[in-house]
Amino acid sequence: EVKLLESGGGLVQPGGSLRLSCAASGFTFTDFYMSWIRQPPGKAPEWLGVIRNKANGYTTEYNPSVKGRFTISRDNTQNILYLQMNTLRAKDTAIYYCARGGSWDYWGQGVMVTVSS
Amino acid sequence: DIVLTQAPLSVSVTPGESASISCRSSKSLLSSKGITSLYWYLQKPGKSPQLLIYRMSNLASGVPDRFSGSGSETDFTLKISKVETEDVGVYYCAQFLEYPYTFGAGTKLELK
Repeated sequence: EVKLLESGGGLVQPGGSLRLSCAASGFTFTDFYMSWIRQPPGKAPEWLGVIRNKANGYTTEYNPSVKGRFTISRDNTQNILYLQMNTLRAKDTAIYYCARGGSWDYWGQGVMVTVSS
Repeated sequence: DIVLTQAPLSVSVTPGESASISCRSSKSLLSSKGITSLYWYLQKPGKSPQLLIYRMSNLASGVPDRFSGSGSETDFTLKISKVETEDVGVYYCAQFLEYPYTFGAGTKLELK
């Protein structure tokens, strides 16, 4: 059974940093692209970025809205996807999801990040 | 960025009747490989989004065949025949043609 479990969310002050994790199980992690997507309360989701699979060299792409502040990485030995978020702003307040593959056929349950003083 | 415009913003449907949701793209979503990169997701209340339709008209695994997707290069339709109570939620279209991937604003489906 495919499972994606995010962790690491919480309350952070403006200008602070946070690292989210997404623990994957039930599939061959290295075979899949993995994406981060966020959803501000009451709004539509926003794609943040993707890290490609082994066959494509684990390269990354980012939404310009977060490029330079957010970094996606993966630990392929422990099957964990990461999202490092720096210089956080109030507008970054959202539920953050990880999703599998090129079609986002599986999503995690999401983790809440609140940026506030 | 590619803009996806959904209509209506909300729809109220009697159980057993059909519903259609439109998604219009600011750019053709037909790739050079002949694939139309338009996807549909349903977000049930309090849940994560779930994949319904991929590449415009392909039903995702485990999705009831009451759902169907169709369209052209820029205009797309999600049809739900014989709406059931479990279909309540917000429907989003999304494009995977080019980065940054983008979503429509969503269409909320409610029951009468």
